[in-house]
Amino acid sequence: DVKVTQSSRYLVKRTGEKVFLECVQDMDHENMFWYRQDPGLGLRLIYFSYDVKMKEKGDIPEGYSVSREKKERFSLILESASTNQTSMYLCASSVTPRGMDEKLFFGSGTQLSVL
Amino acid sequence: TQLLEQSPQFLSIQEGENLTVYCNSSSVFSSLQWYRQEPGEGPVLLVTVVTGGEVKKLKRLTFQFGDARKDSSLHITAAQPGDTGLYLCAGSGAGSYQLTFGKGTKLSVIP
Repeated sequence: DVKVTQSSRYLVKRTGEKVFLECVQDMDHENMFWYRQDPGLGLRLIYFSYDVKMKEKGDIPEGYSVSREKKERFSLILESASTNQTSMYLCASSVTPRGMDEKLFFGSGTQLSVL
Repeated sequence: TQLLEQSPQFLSIQEGENLTVYCNSSSVFSSLQWYRQEPGEGPVLLVTVVTGGEVKKLKRLTFQFGDARKDSSLHITAAQPGDTGLYLCAGSGAGSYQLTFGKGTKLSVIP
């Protein structure tokens, strides 16, 4: 089975801190994604990557950056955490080549609270 | 921007009842997926439909893609407590490489 592992299930951070969320997949998938999930708003795409060292903005990239130095690892960075970034963060990967239908495999999520 | 509207937003039913949830859009999608998310977990893919009018069955779950590929439905027969969760539809649009997610239907099946 495909396994997408997020480093933390729960995180509590202070406003202004730099926050790193790590995600690792074990199936050699080319594509990786970061979403945030908020009640009433659904899943919103923050950033995605179709290859190592490659990144593209999703629908809500403001306040976030990403890093993909290795194929299996995709990191989400909050440069200066703010309270409106309190959310459930979901990492996903997919094997489908770019341009075809994506079928996503998700991690279990990181619930981030920014105080 | 392509939007997917899911209805109802919340659904609470007794074990053994049947239910249908809907996923609608004004846009055409090249394919549509359904995911189920249990509390504390990430979404898990249930099915992908790609052809207008297509019907797929997964045990007690029946998925249908509309003829015009703008809408989809999920029907559950004889719901069980294990069906409890958030059901999300997600569409892949022509010319777009990203999935658009609906906001989900939160289903509670009461024993």
